Amino acid sequence: QLVLTQSPSASASLGASVRLTCTLSSDHGDYAIAWHQRQPEKGPRFLMKVNSDGSHRKGDGIPDRFSGSSSGAERYLTITGLQSEDEADYFCQTWGNAIQVFGGGTKLTLL
Amino acid sequence: EVHLVESGGGSLHPGRSLRLSCTASGFTAFTFGDYAMHWVRRVPGKGLEWVSGISGDSDITYYSDSVRGRFTISRDNAKNSLFLEINSLGPEDTAIYYCAKVAETSNPGYYFDSWGQGTLVTVSS
Repeated sequence: QLVLTQSPSASASLGASVRLTCTLSSDHGDYAIAWHQRQPEKGPRFLMKVNSDGSHRKGDGIPDRFSGSSSGAERYLTITGLQSEDEADYFCQTWGNAIQVFGGGTKLTLL
Repeated sequence: EVHLVESGGGSLHPGRSLRLSCTASGFTAFTFGDYAMHWVRRVPGKGLEWVSGISGDSDITYYSDSVRGRFTISRDNAKNSLFLEINSLGPEDTAIYYCAKVAETSNPGYYFDSWGQGTLVTVSS
């Protein structure tokens, strides 16, 4: 079964960096994923697609502070120079045969 | 930049039916029909749940197990519009419903690169 696993919460200080993780289920470790951000009271926003080789393709207007990478079945979203507007929910998405799957999301809190 | 706007949400009693709409704009080199579209919902305080997807030409439709048989997805490419018919509403359908556009392809099996702001559906007696 295709499943994405994320930690429910993460925290970091303003100006610092944070790496969020999305883990693919076994047997699906070569799948690409997409990262999305949902700020409070707003609709989701596409950030980037991350491939199994770590290459990534960002959405229009996504700052250079956001980057993606991979290691095995793990897909990462790294945010550097954290700003107040980065406090949001981050969730990953992947796709299979006639199905779309979302991770449970990580709530990023800025200290 | 593609802009998606959902409408049609509201407060309804259990057992009623509802039709959600999503209107798209901002296409330049390509048209609405060149892209697959999906519906996703979020129960306030919880995560996202994929609901349904449709190919650019409407030939392919997908549904999650939790809604198959009660929900119907459709689109009108001439009007740049996506729809979701929901029958036999239950409290479990209370959520914010988002439409999302698939990147680069008319095949539903790919990632989303544009989202709407959502429309709230509340089901309560």
